[in-house]
Amino acid sequence: GAVVSQHPSRVICKSGTSVKIECRSLDFQATTMFWYRQFPKQSLMLMATSNEGSKATYEQGVEKDKFLINHASLTLSTLTVTSAHPEDSSFYICSARGASGGIGELFFGEGSRLTVL
Amino acid sequence: LAKTTQPISMDSYEGQEVNITCSHNNIATNDYITWYQQFPSQGPRFIIQGYKTKVTNEVASLFIPADRKSSTLSLPRVSLSDTAVYYCLVGGPGNYQLIWGAGTKLIIKP
Repeated sequence: GAVVSQHPSRVICKSGTSVKIECRSLDFQATTMFWYRQFPKQSLMLMATSNEGSKATYEQGVEKDKFLINHASLTLSTLTVTSAHPEDSSFYICSARGASGGIGELFFGEGSRLTVL
Repeated sequence: LAKTTQPISMDSYEGQEVNITCSHNNIATNDYITWYQQFPSQGPRFIIQGYKTKVTNEVASLFIPADRKSSTLSLPRVSLSDTAVYYCLVGGPGNYQLIWGAGTKLIIKP
């Protein structure tokens, strides 16, 4: 099946710094990518929908100025956590929709664990 | 967006068949039912998808009754490596803003 890759898989940063997480679709073009966050022992929560060449659509309660999303190409979306604080520590996961459509064609990255000290 | 309800946790033993049922009473006509598996600190992995009746692939079967208000994921002869959280999601073509429920934590014992 299609492959979605995230980098870095783990990152530790100091409070106040910014962290960028990359999400790449390795063998298909993804016009739409999704970013989730997942706290320990909780389910995935959709943060935003990233559309290639246009602004991301954020879910209610997600600060767009804090979580900057860029989808500059059909194979790359980035999530930048700006001025990170300890409460931003979480597991961030991206997913991409395959070209053939259908919700079964959602492919997920490996996730990126962010720890803010 | 249809909401789903699953048992919070289940346990079973190696070699057994495990059935996890999901309720989705307000499923829409064009909604499909999809199951994902997630291991700790990994992204979810697609298991199976169906619309009605029965679907089978190399890893699981999905049973959907005629009213489609529930579905059952069947894992044949589970092993320890099947210990994971299983999510049932409902959504239609083009609708990817899926609501993730709590999932079912499946623990397989030796």
